[in-house]
Amino acid sequence: EVVLTQSPGTLSLSPGERATLSCRASQSVSSTYLAWYQQKPGQAPRLLIYGATIRATGIPDRFSGSGSGTDFTLTISRLEPEDFAVYYCQQYGTSPLTFGGGTKVDIK
Amino acid sequence: QVQLQESGPGLVKPSGTLSLTCAVSGGSISSISWWSWVRQPPGKGLEWIGEIDPGGNTNYNSPLKSRVTILVDKSENQFSLKLSSVTAADTAVYYCASGGIRFRPGYWGQGTPVTVSS
Repeated sequence: EVVLTQSPGTLSLSPGERATLSCRASQSVSSTYLAWYQQKPGQAPRLLIYGATIRATGIPDRFSGSGSGTDFTLTISRLEPEDFAVYYCQQYGTSPLTFGGGTKVDIK
Repeated sequence: QVQLQESGPGLVKPSGTLSLTCAVSGGSISSISWWSWVRQPPGKGLEWIGEIDPGGNTNYNSPLKSRVTILVDKSENQFSLKLSSVTAADTAVYYCASGGIRFRPGYWGQGTPVTVSS
């Protein structure tokens, strides 16, 4: 099983700042099969990025994904008030499909 | 725009069977290669349960494999989840979603909370 470790656990930032979230895999993951989600309280996860770098439909360009192999990054260039949430990475290249433990981005 | 809607009992007794359905609207269930079930215990992260394709082929997460059955009903444009011998550890919000192993994710249902309690 591919274990995904996200860091930091919590990121305290102010609106307008840049957020950098990390997702490290226990074994190499094809970039084709790495996704990022945003989840707000009481809501379903919302797909942000798939294929490591491809923004899903309707996702603002302040969200970007990068990385390869075992190290992947989600960057939010300038935090908007609606961006404060929990973010999960997911690999879907190998069974079982797995998720990271999440990074909470909260308001400083 | 494809939409997913989960339905089923919100309360299941210990040792009973959890049964949920995911209705697909806005498109044919056959238009997407794989469909998945994912759950999230209260205050915790996401766990993939398993997947099914429109032909009925399935893959399950090993820790749950002996208790899980996922079925598809193309005539009703829906797929379902059954989880047997439930315990309190199965209390979670259950989501259906499009995508699976090597097929990109996309659509998610709003989720349905299920509590296992007597």
